[in-house]
Amino acid sequence: GENVEQHPSTLSVQEGDSAVIKCTYSDSASNYFPWYKQELGKRPQLIIDIRSNVGEKKDQRIAVTLNKTAKHFSLHITETQPEDSAVYFCAASRIGEYGNKLVFGAGTILRVKS
Amino acid sequence: DAGITQSPRHKVTETGTPVTLRCHQTENHRYMYWYRQDPGHGLRLIHYSYGVKDTDKGEVSDGYSVSRSKTEDFLLTLESATSSQTSVYFCAISDPGLSSYEQYFGPGTRLTVT
Repeated sequence: GENVEQHPSTLSVQEGDSAVIKCTYSDSASNYFPWYKQELGKRPQLIIDIRSNVGEKKDQRIAVTLNKTAKHFSLHITETQPEDSAVYFCAASRIGEYGNKLVFGAGTILRVKS
Repeated sequence: DAGITQSPRHKVTETGTPVTLRCHQTENHRYMYWYRQDPGHGLRLIHYSYGVKDTDKGEVSDGYSVSRSKTEDFLLTLESATSSQTSVYFCAISDPGLSSYEQYFGPGTRLTVT
């Protein structure tokens, strides 16, 4: 089955700097890669996702890149702000008629220091 | 937030007792999922449903069963709770028919087995 590894486990950056979180996956048939943000005591919430037919996607300060050949994808946050501090999870899945079974990475704790 | 609720929100139970967690949605989404979240493991899929009475196992299904008798409710049962099942449980819903594969998560249930 699918296996997703996420690095680093913790990341501290200065406000205004960029942050990059990387994930690798094992199943070459995976075709959907979302990123979730989870604040302390809250539910995970989708911040950006990408399909395997796209190499890069941006949404304001957030971008995701996908390298299918190397089976890795990355989250890039520019101009970080204190409110970006949270736990970030990557995930991978193969979309099919029986749903979208996400396999998550272990998470990255991002701390933005002001 | 999508119309998804979980009950109870907190529960403490003793080893060996049965426990049922409820996920209720008002979005008429086809797919429903149960995940557990533990430190160092991210979220792991327990069971999922792709329609009324249609369910299947996820990666950590041992010791759990599910039922879905109507679109809006997805129940997770621990037949005989063990301390290893102490965790935070999240329900999620999705519906690719809406042109989005996003999974919306419920608020979570914190379960402690003593």
